[in-house]
Amino acid sequence: QVQLQESGPGLVKPSETLSLTCSVSGGSISGYYWSWIRQPPGKGLEWIGYIFYSGSSNSNPSLKSRVTISLDTSTNQFSLNLRSLTGADTAVYYCARYYCSTDGTCHYFDYWGQGILVTVSS
Amino acid sequence: QSALTQPASVSGSPGQSITISCTATSSDVVSHNLISWYQQHPGKAPKVMIYDVIKRPSGVSNRFSGSKSGNTASLTISGLQAEDEADYYCCSNAGSGIWVFGGGTKLTV
Repeated sequence: QVQLQESGPGLVKPSETLSLTCSVSGGSISGYYWSWIRQPPGKGLEWIGYIFYSGSSNSNPSLKSRVTISLDTSTNQFSLNLRSLTGADTAVYYCARYYCSTDGTCHYFDYWGQGILVTVSS
Repeated sequence: QSALTQPASVSGSPGQSITISCTATSSDVVSHNLISWYQQHPGKAPKVMIYDVIKRPSGVSNRFSGSKSGNTASLTISGLQAEDEADYYCCSNAGSGIWVFGGGTKLTV
């Protein structure tokens, strides 16, 4: 059974950079697309971006200038860096795996981490 | 503002059926028919209930069904049960590697 676990700081100061890691167990990170999704307290889900095991990635146009997603197949982990933080970045951050068919079409998020609450405050 | 619009809340009594709509601001957002629906209970990660507009993953109750007409996708839950009370989100693979979520709908049973 694939399991995902987010790790990182729970509190970050405004203007700083958030670094989160998602550890994947019970399966290989290779061959799959992986994603970060966040949810501000009491609000809806927001897609942040994805990375393929080959390294190709894309991100939400609204966050693109501040987001870097990377992946390390040797440790079975992928990471999120979000720069220039403000209070609006306070959220529960989830990592998730895409279910994709053999033609490369991705259909939905099939495995999720439990989420990590990140608060941006001085 | 999300490219997918959902009602903020819906409610129903046990045994009844309800439908949650998800309307795209642009046909491009839903043209690939890669629309999925997620159920989220408080403090929990979302769980997929429907994908590709109408398909149910293994293990999801057949009380959950999906459909689409024009720019609007819908999730119908029949035979409402107390455990169905949750937040529901639609999501679309909008093409060009971009994914979008709807604003979410709170279902009260």
